[in-house]
This record gives sequence, structure tokens and C-alpha cells, in this order.
Amino acid sequence: EAQVTQNPRYLITVTGKKLTVTCSQNMNHEYMSWYRQDPGLGLRQIYYSMNVEVTDKGDVPEGYKVSRKEKRNFPLILESPSPNQTSLYFCASSSPAPHTEAFFGQGTRLTVV
Amino acid sequence: QKEVEQNSGPLSVPEGAIASLNCTYSDRGSQSFFWYRQYSGKSPELIMFIYSNGDKEDGRFTAQLNKASQYVSLLIRDSQPSDSATYLCAVFNAGGTSYGKLTFGQGTILTVHP
Repeated sequence: EAQVTQNPRYLITVTGKKLTVTCSQNMNHEYMSWYRQDPGLGLRQIYYSMNVEVTDKGDVPEGYKVSRKEKRNFPLILESPSPNQTSLYFCASSSPAPHTEAFFGQGTRLTVV
Repeated sequence: QKEVEQNSGPLSVPEGAIASLNCTYSDRGSQSFFWYRQYSGKSPELIMFIYSNGDKEDGRFTAQLNKASQYVSLLIRDSQPSDSATYLCAVFNAGGTSYGKLTFGQGTILTVHP
């Protein structure tokens, strides 16, 4: 079954404590991305990756890091989380072709206190 | 101007009515346009995509694209309470250094009341 798997689904952490949200896809997609979703703001892209070792900033990259060492994995790293990073996060993967859909993970609800 | 903008909501329609969701985009080079549905707390799921001018129908859903006006819409006929969700318009970026990027609108909340 084609899927994008994110972990954890829910996370409560304290300000400044480094955390990683994992994302893995089994469709051999080149393109992967991270989004955050906040009420009234839709999905905003944090970082994206066109392929292994190729990453670039999206619209809201501040406070986040990513890496793409393997094609299937694209972890999101918060080195020093702050309360304004409390949000719902989605990982997505797709083939970088115009008419193909993006597949989304189940989402990670992060709360930073 | 936002790259992808959707009509402000929330939108409320009675059961059985037609719901009309609209989206405009700024990049004339955009090639593909997607409509995703998202239930509260869940991940977005694809409803339809369209890339040619005109209408594309799939069951109760019709997507309409007008590239000259940079406008894409989604019509939901015979709306059902189960259609109540947030609808996201997404545009595929086909040019420059952002090739392959999907840009989303802010979403329109649709409520279908019995």
C-alpha cells in the first residue's frame, strides 16, 4: 500500500528541547516536503526536497532544519522549539510531474510549552 | 498578492444545493491545479485535478479552469453533510527553481446543513 508515514502523531514538548519528526514514503518519490497548518492560513511549506541531498527552503523555514540522506526519508528537525511552532505538521511526497498528486502523511500535532 | 487565493469562507449551503468554491493564482506558468478535501485534524485527500481549460467532471464534482483569467473552481452538486470540510486549492509550479512545488491556498471551510 502506498503511504507516507509520520511519527509521532502527537507531541508535547518544552521550549528549547530539540526534537525530530520523521517522515518516510514507500513510493520511490523524488519530491518530498513539509508543511505546517495553522487556522486560517492553509498549508504553508517549510522545506522541500527535489531528491537525495537536494533540499531548499519553502515559505516559512525559520526555526526548522531538514535532511535527505535517503530517498524514502525526510525528517524535520526543530533544534530549539518555541511556542510559535505549535502547529499541525504534514509531510508529503510526490513525483515532480505536473499531473501527479501529492500523498500526505497522517499529520503530527506539536505543542510547545 | 498571494500566489494562490481562495474565496473567503466559511461557506454554508443547504443539503442538496450546489456549493461553489473558487481559487485564483498569480503564476501564469502554472500547469496543474488540484482540489483537496480535508476533514478536521486529518490529512488532505485529493478530489480532482485539472490542467486543461474547461470543465472536468467526476461524479458530483466539477472542476473548472480558465487559464486566461487565472481562475479555477470546484462545484459540488447535490451537497451532502459529509461534504462538510475544508477545501484546499493547490497549484503546481512548473517553472524556475521551484519546479515541482505545490502551493496551497488558505482553504475554504464548507458546511452543508441538513
